[in-house]
Amino acid sequence: SQQGEEDPQALSIQEGENATMNCSYKTSINNLQWYRQNSGRGLVHLILIRSNEREKHSGRLRVTLDTSKKSSSLLITASRAADTASYFCVMYSSASKIIFGSGTRLSIRP
Amino acid sequence: GAVVSQHPSWVICKSGTSVKIECRSLDFQATTMFWYRQFPKQSLMLMATSNEGSKATYEQGVEKDKFLINHASLTLSTLTVTSAHPEDSSFYICSASVLGTGSNYGYTFGSGTRLTVV
Repeated sequence: SQQGEEDPQALSIQEGENATMNCSYKTSINNLQWYRQNSGRGLVHLILIRSNEREKHSGRLRVTLDTSKKSSSLLITASRAADTASYFCVMYSSASKIIFGSGTRLSIRP
Repeated sequence: GAVVSQHPSWVICKSGTSVKIECRSLDFQATTMFWYRQFPKQSLMLMATSNEGSKATYEQGVEKDKFLINHASLTLSTLTVTSAHPEDSSFYICSASVLGTGSNYGYTFGSGTRLTVV
């Protein structure tokens, strides 16, 4: 099945630092969403950005979308221990398909 | 709005038994639902797409007779893992298309089911 790519696969940073994750995809999309998943738990929706938007903010989250490069980034500022989780980009393609990114495992060191 | 309820959230079963996982759309009609499987530390992999009233479309490599999907109504899709074995232990998540509901998302996810086969 089609899958988007995320990098880095794993990221470990000090509490208080910023964390940046990137997502790339190959198809045309209607929107892109970022989800968080704590170990063994369900998906928690973080933020949605539509194909005609370039940047969205929500609290400590900042998402960008570059449809010409077919890429998106998620920035978490002033990281906290509770931010430790896996983060997935999920694309809703123009062909009405859901495409998952490969995920980034984020660890915040106290 | 556009909430999907998945049940059970976790289940432990003996090898050789069958387990049914339910996915319900609570406040909308879901004509299309998707079933995913997630192995530890990996992303979600689409197993199958189910459309109400018709047979599910399975992704390559997914055994149809092993993972039975039924989408008999517009609010319920079920995944039955038949004759479960330890290698079937995994995290299973459903999602539903919310096209036409007024939602901007296009889809919404259940909370997942942790299946452990002993």
